[in-house]
Amino acid sequence: GAVVSQHPSWVICKSGTSVKIECRSLDFQATTMFWYRQFPKQSLMLMATSNEGSKATYEQGVEKDKFLINHASLTLSTLTVTSAHPEDSSFYICSARDGRTGYTFGSGTRLTVV
Amino acid sequence: AQTVTQSQPEMSVQEAETVTLSCTYDTSENNYYLFWYKQPPSRQMILVIRQEAYKQQNATENRFSVNFQKAAKSFSLKISDSQLGDTAMYFCAFRIGSSNTGKLIFGQGTTLQVKP
Repeated sequence: GAVVSQHPSWVICKSGTSVKIECRSLDFQATTMFWYRQFPKQSLMLMATSNEGSKATYEQGVEKDKFLINHASLTLSTLTVTSAHPEDSSFYICSARDGRTGYTFGSGTRLTVV
Repeated sequence: AQTVTQSQPEMSVQEAETVTLSCTYDTSENNYYLFWYKQPPSRQMILVIRQEAYKQQNATENRFSVNFQKAAKSFSLKISDSQLGDTAMYFCAFRIGSSNTGKLIFGQGTTLQVKP
C-alpha cells in the first residue's frame, strides 16, 4: 500500500534556529502534499498545500515566511520552520494524495522549541 | 464555506459493545467525499472508512459502518464489537469532489475510550 515516510519523528531545537521536516512518498508519486499542525487533543489544522514544481498555497493566517515549504520532486516535500520560537512547538503531520485511498499520512513530527 | 462538526468530544464504550460517533457537515456542493480517520495514541492517522456522496449505499468495513444521510448532512460511524485497540481519537473529514486542491476539512474529533 501507499506509504509516506516523515522525518524526524521528534526534534528539539533552540529558540531562533530553523528546523526542517521531510515527507517522502515511498511507493507512489505525490504531486500534492498537505502539511498540518496539531495541538494536543485537538483537530488537524491545515497549514498549506504543496504542489510539485510550484509555490505552496498557504491557509489564511499561516506565515509563509516562517513555514517554508518546498516540493522539488514528485516524492519529497519539506517544511522548514524558520527562527523557531516556543509557540511553534507542536505536532506536524504531512499527507499525500495517493491513487488508492485518497490520502496517506506521515507518522508526524513532534517539535519542541526550547 | 464547508464545515464539519463532531459534537461528542469524548465517548466511552465497554469492550464488545457497539458505539456510534456522530458527524454533521455543511456544504452546498453535490459531489463530495466523506471520511472517518482514526488516530491512536501513536498519532498515526489511519483511514477507517470513506463514502462517496453520490452512492446511496452506506459504506462498511468489517466492524465499521456508516449511516450516511445526505439530506440531513449527517455521517455517523458505528463501531460494532468494540475492541481495546479501537481506543483512539476519531476524526470525520470532508472533501469537495471537484476540488483541484483536494483539501480535507476535519471535524474537531471524538476521543473514544474502550473499557475492558
